[in-house]
Amino acid sequence: QSALTQPASVSGSLGQSITISCTGTSSDVGGYNYVSWFQQHPGKAPKLMIYEVTNRPSGISTRFSGSRSGNTASLTISGLQAEDEADYYCSSYTTGIRVVFGGGTKLTVL
Amino acid sequence: EVQLVESGGGLVQPGGSLRLSCVGSGFIFSNYWMSWVRQAPGEGLEWVANIKQDGSERNYVDSVKGRFTISRDNDKNSLYLQMNSLRADDTAVYFCARGRTLGYWGQGALVTVST
Repeated sequence: QSALTQPASVSGSLGQSITISCTGTSSDVGGYNYVSWFQQHPGKAPKLMIYEVTNRPSGISTRFSGSRSGNTASLTISGLQAEDEADYYCSSYTTGIRVVFGGGTKLTVL
Repeated sequence: EVQLVESGGGLVQPGGSLRLSCVGSGFIFSNYWMSWVRQAPGEGLEWVANIKQDGSERNYVDSVKGRFTISRDNDKNSLYLQMNSLRADDTAVYFCARGRTLGYWGQGALVTVST
């Protein structure tokens, strides 16, 4: 059960857009529609931002969007705001209804 | 309002045991898969285990197989994680999370394995 691959850090200026990638294999990201993205602020519990590749839970800003191409999923945040600065994790189902997370990406808003 | 509240964390010696609990409210507990996810200090998230609505299916990450047992009591809206043969690398905050999408999380319970 290898972790999914995410960049360790990304940065963007206020108002700009950024994209975080999450690379797996055909046994996880490329093979299941259960790909999710989570936001975590320091000392807080993770918060679901995107589920089933492209869906936003109720209450999540439309500035957050998800997509997938092959074995790589992506999270795009448009119109960056200061409160978007956080750690972001992707996850996917894998064989045997297990879950695997990415290593996490630290987003810095300049 | 959906709430998940973990309890049972603490300090335990290597080789010891601990049982975590998670009580859910604000939703029909028996309708959802439930999971445990952990986060070691300064590290990323690691999925630990999940359990089907009726408890008939349970899955574990390889590193805890044979040592940890996930269970649930739908009458008590409760999820459990029995942790045996604890090791230093099990030190983490343990979160319970609801559903196959992990849509709601508790605030976590800290487990420290140390002499």
